[in-house]
Amino acid sequence: IAGITQAPTSQILAAGRRMTLRCTQDMRHNAMYWYRQDLGLGLRLIHYSNTAGTTGKGEVPDGYSVSRANTDDFPLTLASAVPSQTSVYFCASTRLAGSYNEQFFGPGTRLTVL
Amino acid sequence: QQQVKQSPQSLIVQKGGIPIINCAYENTAFDYFPWYQQFPGKGPALLIAIRPDVSEKKEGRFTISFNKSAKQFSLHIMDSQPGDSATYFCAASGAGSYQLTFGKGTKLSVIP
Repeated sequence: IAGITQAPTSQILAAGRRMTLRCTQDMRHNAMYWYRQDLGLGLRLIHYSNTAGTTGKGEVPDGYSVSRANTDDFPLTLASAVPSQTSVYFCASTRLAGSYNEQFFGPGTRLTVL
Repeated sequence: QQQVKQSPQSLIVQKGGIPIINCAYENTAFDYFPWYQQFPGKGPALLIAIRPDVSEKKEGRFTISFNKSAKQFSLHIMDSQPGDSATYFCAASGAGSYQLTFGKGTKLSVIP
């Protein structure tokens, strides 16, 4: 089934632990994004990648890192989790072409840091 | 600095009513304005989008109205149904950047 998959679906993590959220898309989209969604704050961009091998910082990058070794995968790593990183994380992708760049979102990962 | 301001934060309407969600932007270089719909437990999905060369776009029961001079755009849902209950996000992009700047969202509840 074409689209974006994220893993895990949910996770409870102890503060200070390292965690990698996985994201895979099979649409051959060149751009990928990571957002966090918090009540009352909407969707905030953490990191993005316009093409394999490149990444950039979004609005709230601190405490997170990403890599883009190939077109399909865009993992998000929390090196040392803190409670303020409790959130729902969404991965998205788009084909950068033309004026309308519809972003397709994954189902999300609900992360709780205790 | 929030570049896209969305209101209201929540909205309750009765079935058949016409909820209106408003967004205002600051960056005059924005040239693409999508609306996303998100159901509980799901990721957002594109609902409808508009570019500033038109003042209105309709897709089914959903209409975007766009006012370039006021830097505002709004989503209208005609004949709203309980199935329209969701969180709606406006967004904007442009000036050579494909990144979307999202509003904070509006939780819509349509009661039977």
